[in-house]
Amino acid sequence: DAGITQSPRYKITETGRQVTLMCHQTWSHSYMFWYRQDLGHGLRLIYYSAAADITDKGEVPDGYVVSRSKTENFPLTLESATRSQTSVYFCASSEPQGARYTQYFGPGTRLTVL
Amino acid sequence: SQKIEQNSEALNIQEGKTATLTCNYTNYSPAYLQWYRQDPGRGPVFLLLIRENEKEKRKERLKVTFDTTLKQSLFHITASQPADSATYLCALVTDSNYQLIWGAGTKLIIKP
Repeated sequence: DAGITQSPRYKITETGRQVTLMCHQTWSHSYMFWYRQDLGHGLRLIYYSAAADITDKGEVPDGYVVSRSKTENFPLTLESATRSQTSVYFCASSEPQGARYTQYFGPGTRLTVL
Repeated sequence: SQKIEQNSEALNIQEGKTATLTCNYTNYSPAYLQWYRQDPGRGPVFLLLIRENEKEKRKERLKVTFDTTLKQSLFHITASQPADSATYLCALVTDSNYQLIWGAGTKLIIKP
């Protein structure tokens, strides 16, 4: 299916475990983003990527790792999950030359760290 | 500090009336301002974009205004319907980078 997908949709894990959230887009957009959304906060940027093999930190990168070996995939890894990382995580993609930075979002992953 | 603010309280509007949501910002010079809709359990969906040199933009029942002097954007939904109930997010794009700077969103409730 065309679009942007995230998996898993729901994840419960324990403190200290490594968790990887997957993101896949079929548009071949150059830019991809990872956000977290918490009650009372706007979307906060964790990491972004301008192209395959190019990634950079956003506003709240600590405790997260990303990679982008292929244009269509942008996984987010929590190296050692903490309770403060309980959140809803959204992946987004964008093609700046086209729609002036409009971002297209996946359905989100709700992560609970016990 | 740089801020983008939306009314954190839910906005309750009677069906058929016009809903107006506000987005205020400080210390930015946005090139574009975007509005998104977010339904519970879903990701935001793009609605409208307005450029800094545009005063107003319309799309069907939606209207966005952008006042760079007041540092404010207003988002209007005319003839509101219960299906318009959602959280609406505004986001800025500055010329200096391609990232979006997000407000926390306003929850809109349209009552039948």
